[in-house]
Amino acid sequence: KNQVEQSPQSLIILEGKNCTLQCNYTVSPFSNLRWYKQDTGRGPVSLTIMTFSENTKSNGRYTATLDADTKQSSLHITASQLSDSASYICVVISSGNTGKLIFGQGTTLQVKP
Amino acid sequence: GAVVSQHPSWVICKSGTSVKIECRSLDFQATTMFWYRQFPKQSLMLMATSNEGSKATYEQGVEKDKFLINHASLTLSTLTVTSAHPEDSSFYICSAARLGELFFGEGSRLTVL
Repeated sequence: KNQVEQSPQSLIILEGKNCTLQCNYTVSPFSNLRWYKQDTGRGPVSLTIMTFSENTKSNGRYTATLDADTKQSSLHITASQLSDSASYICVVISSGNTGKLIFGQGTTLQVKP
Repeated sequence: GAVVSQHPSWVICKSGTSVKIECRSLDFQATTMFWYRQFPKQSLMLMATSNEGSKATYEQGVEKDKFLINHASLTLSTLTVTSAHPEDSSFYICSAARLGELFFGEGSRLTVL
């Protein structure tokens, strides 16, 4: 069964600290993996897209990693800011089944001053 | 700026009435759009795939007569929640793909009294 599991479910950190969010998947065949940021009451916004051959990709203070062998991805946030408070959703796209998107449950991050 | 626009952003209606939500792709044509539903503190759940000029494809468990989807043009898809009930209260989000990137609308918050 194609699944995407994210951890932790929620996280509270102090402003300026770093944090790492995890995403494990069992999706096969794999096409690509995406991280989205969703502010409360808003639609998700893309942070990174990672294909099978990519190990690391950065977008400002966000750095995503992908280990296609172990089927794990992480999203590292550096020097967190209050505006980073949001839900972070890991989405894996299957290359089979007409490119079906499988969503993780998301990690809710709260950055406190 | 946003490339996918939703309207309305929030709507309150009485039980038994129907509500229409619009999803527009801005500056690009989208032959396919996706509709999602999101309950509080949960991730997005794909409801259906909207195909321009043809019938929508619904996910298992989603009632097509309850959630009417019309994709009449290459830039507009509509979701109509018919005979809405309080359990239909949710956050509805659409998305469209552009050059391999998936863009989400801002979402529409539906509250059925």
